[in-house]
Amino acid sequence: EDQVTQSPEALRLQEGESSSLNCSYTVSGLRGLFWYRQDPGKGPEFLFTLYSAGEEKEKERLKATLTKKESFLHITAPKPEDSATYLCAVENTGNQFYFGTGTSLTVIP
Amino acid sequence: NAGVTQTPKFRVLKTGQSMTLLCAQDMNHEYMYWYRQDPGMGLRLIHYSVGEGTTAKGEVPDGYNVSRLKKQNFLLGLESAAPSQTSVYFCASRRQGYNEQFFGPGTRLTVL
Repeated sequence: EDQVTQSPEALRLQEGESSSLNCSYTVSGLRGLFWYRQDPGKGPEFLFTLYSAGEEKEKERLKATLTKKESFLHITAPKPEDSATYLCAVENTGNQFYFGTGTSLTVIP
Repeated sequence: NAGVTQTPKFRVLKTGQSMTLLCAQDMNHEYMYWYRQDPGMGLRLIHYSVGEGTTAKGEVPDGYNVSRLKKQNFLLGLESAAPSQTSVYFCASRRQGYNEQFFGPGTRLTVL
C-alpha cells in the first residue's frame, strides 16, 4: 500500500536555527515526490518536485533532497515568515497522489 | 487570472441532504482533482480527471460523484450527505506534462 509518513508532527525553531523535516514513503512506482507549503485556512502551495534518488532542489532557505525511501526538507536560518505546515506527497505510476499529514513549523522571532 | 476557485466557501448540511461543490480554473489545465483534508489524516484524493469528459476514482471515492462536462469545471457531488463527510474539500488543477498542482482556497463542509 502506498503511503507517506512525515515527522515530526510539529517543530518550533528560533529564528536562524536550522533544521530538517522528514518524509518517508512507500510507493509502488514513483512518478514524483512533492513538497507543498500550507498556510492556515488556505490551499497548499507548490514548492518542489523530486524524481529520483540523489536529486536536490533549492529555493531561498529551503532545500529538498530525495533517497529511495525518504525525502528531507532542510530549512536554513529560518525566518518567522517560514512558519506554515509543510506537506509531502508522492504520485505513483497510476496517477494517484498520497499526502502525508504534514509538519507544522513555527519560527519564533 | 483567478487561478482555481471553489464555490461555496462554507456550507452546512443535514444528514441525507445533497449538494454540489463547484471547482473552476481559468488556466486551461487538463488535469483536475478533488481532495478532502481531515485533522490527522492529511489530504486524501477523492476523484480526479485527466480531461474533459473523463473521471477516475482516487483513494476515498465512496459517497461522492464527479463530473467534468467542461474543461474548466470539475463538480463534486454528495447525493446523501453523512456526518463522516464533514471536512475541508480542496480542488486542484495541473497542466499536462507539468508537476505543479494549483490548489483552490477550499470549501469547509459540515454535515449535522
